[in-house]
Amino acid sequence: AQTVTQSQPEMSVQEAETVTLSCTYDTSESDYYLFWYKQPPSRQMILVIRQEAYKQQNATENRFSVNFQKAAKSFSLKISDSQLGDAAMYFCAYRSVSLPDKLIFGTGTRLQVFP
Amino acid sequence: DAGVIQSPRHEVTEMGQEVTLRCKPISGHNSLFWYRQTMMRGLELLIYFNNNVPIDDSGMPEDRFSAKMPNASFSTLKIQPSEPRDSAVYFCASRTSGRVYEQFFGPGTRLTVL
Repeated sequence: AQTVTQSQPEMSVQEAETVTLSCTYDTSESDYYLFWYKQPPSRQMILVIRQEAYKQQNATENRFSVNFQKAAKSFSLKISDSQLGDAAMYFCAYRSVSLPDKLIFGTGTRLQVFP
Repeated sequence: DAGVIQSPRHEVTEMGQEVTLRCKPISGHNSLFWYRQTMMRGLELLIYFNNNVPIDDSGMPEDRFSAKMPNASFSTLKIQPSEPRDSAVYFCASRTSGRVYEQFFGPGTRLTVL
């Protein structure tokens, strides 16, 4: 069975600085998707970024980028130029291509942003 | 588009009462998911539907939980009778078909069972 591990329950960063959130996963599959979701205090789950496992290039969305290391089964999220609005819970998630309807989530990392 | 709509946003009830949570998926989406989020267990998939048909309900914790999707634009999650340990945030999500498909989440319902 696939598992997703986020080993950092909490992280903090100063405004305008860069922070990296860690995520590792375990799977025997070769084709899958990885996601980072943001959950602000409003509770809304918002998709931040998506990575397809067959793509070598790391995904980037504005200030958000990932470091996808397939062999190491690692999928970290880098937030550049952190803003106060980035403060939230961040969840890493895995989705198999063969079982596309199951999202497996990590336990989350709470990110605090200090002015 | 209004996004996934859930009601109520907050529900407080007493142990033993029936609770019904409602979800309206995004128009045109053909899959719907119910999740539960707790501090102890994180986000868990309870059940999901494809084209209104339940596909996998292995995440439903007990017979007290039931879910229906009578049509493409409406789903309910019912707990009867409710217990304090059911207190959680319940999310509904929907997606469309295709290889690269993402799930869009509703705002969640915070359920408190006293």
